[in-house]
Amino acid sequence: AQTVTQSQPEMSVQEAETVTLSCTYDTSENNYYLFWYKQPPSRQMILVIRQEAYKQQNATENRFSVNFQKAAKSFSLKISDSQLGDTAMYFCAFMKHVRPGYALNFGKGTSLLVTP
Amino acid sequence: EAQVTQNPRYLITVTGKKLTVTCSQNMNHEYMSWYRQDPGLGLRQIYYSMNVEVTDKGDVPEGYKVSRKEKRNFPLILESPSPNQTSLYFCASSPQRGGRYLETQYFGPGTRLLVL
Repeated sequence: AQTVTQSQPEMSVQEAETVTLSCTYDTSENNYYLFWYKQPPSRQMILVIRQEAYKQQNATENRFSVNFQKAAKSFSLKISDSQLGDTAMYFCAFMKHVRPGYALNFGKGTSLLVTP
Repeated sequence: EAQVTQNPRYLITVTGKKLTVTCSQNMNHEYMSWYRQDPGLGLRQIYYSMNVEVTDKGDVPEGYKVSRKEKRNFPLILESPSPNQTSLYFCASSPQRGGRYLETQYFGPGTRLLVL
């Protein structure tokens, strides 16, 4: 079974500090995609960052970066210079191949609170 | 503006009364999918469609139907809703590159359904 585990249900960080959200996954595939999605109180699902497994370089989007460890099947999200607007639920997602198509397999989420 | 739209955004209904949640995308995406989100469970896939007239079950298809008669539309049908289908529903779409790997999925704003 292909699963995604987010071991931190809730986290808190002060404004301007750095926080890391962890995610591990399990798969037997060699090529796949990993995603982090943000869900603010509005409930909209917003893509934060995407990593392609065949790329060794860690993806970066402004203040958001990942630490992708393929052998360890780990995909953590680092948020630098945290802002109040980063308060949200964060979901790690893994693309799983289900014949004949595919689907995003989501973790249960980490609720991040950024405090002043 | 490129987007995925869902209607209605909020719906309260009673057990057994058939309902349809519409989903439409204007990005000419081949792939579309429905997810439900429940507290503590993350998002789980209900159905997906690789293209017109091609649909398949996701992880939690029981009690739902879908159709894909046009590329842009992917309605979710609850023939006889029950209280355990009370949830937040998301439609998503993505382009299909090379037929195998999933591009980034773009989500609609969500439909909050309450079945009494």
